[in-house]
Amino acid sequence: VHLVESGGGVVQPGRSLRLSCAASGFNFRSYALHWVRQAPGKGLEWVAVIWSDAITTYYGDSVRGRLTISRDNPKNMLYLQINNLRADDTAVYYCARESGGAVPEHLDYWGQGTLVTVSS
Amino acid sequence: DIQMTQSPSSLSASVGDRVTITCRASQGISTYLNWYQQKPGKAPNILIYGASSLQSGVPSRFSGSGSGTDFTLTIGSLQPEDFATYFCQQTYYTPRTFGQGTKLEI
Repeated sequence: VHLVESGGGVVQPGRSLRLSCAASGFNFRSYALHWVRQAPGKGLEWVAVIWSDAITTYYGDSVRGRLTISRDNPKNMLYLQINNLRADDTAVYYCARESGGAVPEHLDYWGQGTLVTVSS
Repeated sequence: DIQMTQSPSSLSASVGDRVTITCRASQGISTYLNWYQQKPGKAPNILIYGASSLQSGVPSRFSGSGSGTDFTLTIGSLQPEDFATYFCQQTYYTPRTFGQGTKLEI
């Protein structure tokens, strides 16, 4: 299983950004996928999840309305669109796979993360 | 949202020590509780899921217990590679929420 994020960088406040996560090594269309972020020196913040159906999504309260999670099952790609970027969006963004099957939900594989810095 | 509160926020210990970290949920979450380990500059790594199930490949010195609102992560005999930050996460309610982390230092 391999998850590789990309798309981070330095962005001005108010602009938009799309993060990508390329997945390999597993049956992508069968798993829910999450985004989790971590501000510098801070803890983990759950951002969003998209189910395997590519339709059902849920968001954290602090990002709902500005962030959109999506996926392209044929391309094995996960995305996170962030609009109207704010300074407090500065963080490392991780994509993570949700465990499948009958086991209790957990994030069993993570990417290495991509850093988004919001600064003028 | 469900608030997850870990204690302590930081902890100093020595190799060979037995260490316990606690996580308290603001509402009952049955056993929908996971523990992750994170080392500096790295992504988190799952240790325990479902409050007490050890992830494959994780050393048996790690164990978890609890249900409802109170949970513990225990490291039976600290090894040098265990010095890291530990996070709990609830998966009973959406949004999923993490504890603030416990930094385990030498």
